[in-house]
Amino acid sequence: AQSVTQPDIHITVSEGASLELRCNYSYGATPYLFWYVQSPGQGLQLLLKYFSGDTLVQGIKGFEAEFKRSQSSFNLRKPSVHWSDAAEYFCAVGSPNTNAGKSTFGDGTTLTVKP
Amino acid sequence: DTGVSQDPRHKITKRGQNVTFRCDPISEHNRLYWYRQTLGQGPEFLTYFQNEAQLEKSRLLSDRFSAERPKGSFSTLEIQRTEQGDSAMYLCASSHSGGSRLNEQFFGPGTRLTVL
Repeated sequence: AQSVTQPDIHITVSEGASLELRCNYSYGATPYLFWYVQSPGQGLQLLLKYFSGDTLVQGIKGFEAEFKRSQSSFNLRKPSVHWSDAAEYFCAVGSPNTNAGKSTFGDGTTLTVKP
Repeated sequence: DTGVSQDPRHKITKRGQNVTFRCDPISEHNRLYWYRQTLGQGPEFLTYFQNEAQLEKSRLLSDRFSAERPKGSFSTLEIQRTEQGDSAMYLCASSHSGGSRLNEQFFGPGTRLTVL
């Protein structure tokens, strides 16, 4: 069964500092990988996705993520964090080998941005 | 593109009552998913539809839960005899049904259920 681990429950960074959120997955083959952001009381917004090809993917709001097969990781990065980035971030894995299309999510990382 | 909408946004009910939530997917999407999210956790898959057919149900979906998508457009999720453990955010998502786009899901704002 597929699973996702986000080791950091809560991260605090200063505005303007760089950010890296960690994500490790368990899946038998190369999965589809996603990062979502959720603001309080809201649904999830897709930041970026990896299906195949270039392992460094660019997303919206200046985010990027790198797929590393050897480490089963898909870490999210941003070079300079803005106060508006404070939110909860979820990594998710999908199964390209099934027709289900459903995703398995990690438990999220809450990002706090200090002024 | 109006996005995925859900109604109501918030629902407070007493234990033992029945509740029904509605989800309107993006119009050209024929896949529709329901997830449940409890505090401090990521969304957990409940069920999904391809058009009007319900193709998979999670073991999380007890017999008190039923979902329908009668005309392949909007969907409803009903919870009968609610319990306090049902308190959660119920998220709906939709997607296309082909290839990698199958996995690219667009989420609605969710319905926050509180069972007293």
